[in-house]
Amino acid sequence: GENVEQHPSTLSVQEGDSAVIKCTYSDSASNYFPWYKQELGKRPQLIIDIRSNVGEKKDQRIAVTLNKTAKHFSLHITETQPEDSAVYFCAAILYNQGGKLIFGQGTELSVKP
Amino acid sequence: NAGVTQTPKFQVLKTGQSMTLQCAQDMNHNSMYWYRQDPGMGLRLIYYSASEGTTDKGEVPNGYNVSRLNKREFSLRLESAAPSQTSVYFCASSGQIDEKLFFGSGTQLSVL
Repeated sequence: GENVEQHPSTLSVQEGDSAVIKCTYSDSASNYFPWYKQELGKRPQLIIDIRSNVGEKKDQRIAVTLNKTAKHFSLHITETQPEDSAVYFCAAILYNQGGKLIFGQGTELSVKP
Repeated sequence: NAGVTQTPKFQVLKTGQSMTLQCAQDMNHNSMYWYRQDPGMGLRLIYYSASEGTTDKGEVPNGYNVSRLNKREFSLRLESAAPSQTSVYFCASSGQIDEKLFFGSGTQLSVL
């Protein structure tokens, strides 16, 4: 069915290393792809988003890339720090289901000092 | 500004009881959403309202009903609670569907 798939479900890296989380989506009409970060016991918060008219967007140590042909997008975190430890969610709008914002299953990132 | 206010924060129900989760936003947003969060399942959309006067089913609508009371308020009702509805519920709002979501603080619901 129509959905958003996210991998990996858990990711452990050493402080200073890079982390990459990947998502695929099924609706070719999707044009908005946000990433949310959720710290333990808190609400999700937007960290970066990308629209289909660009292939990459950066904000300091965070970047998102989009491949519309392959229908996948990725979150890249460079020079990871312990405070990056959290659950990260990707999302996409599924227009063929009436314009619903659907989330991936989440990636629990652990950054070890 | 309070942003998105969600009540209650915690609730314990017995199987078969009913309850309503309240959500209000003060950002003049058009779109409002209810998600549930279960371990390993991410955030699953229950119902959403793209604009005042409209509501639509999400991924997991069974067992729930919603009311978009006005532009500010969007409530979620459990008519007959079941243990499978034990979860953390988040209300969220956005200006439009392709804009940043603002989440409430969540409701931790346990159904015994």
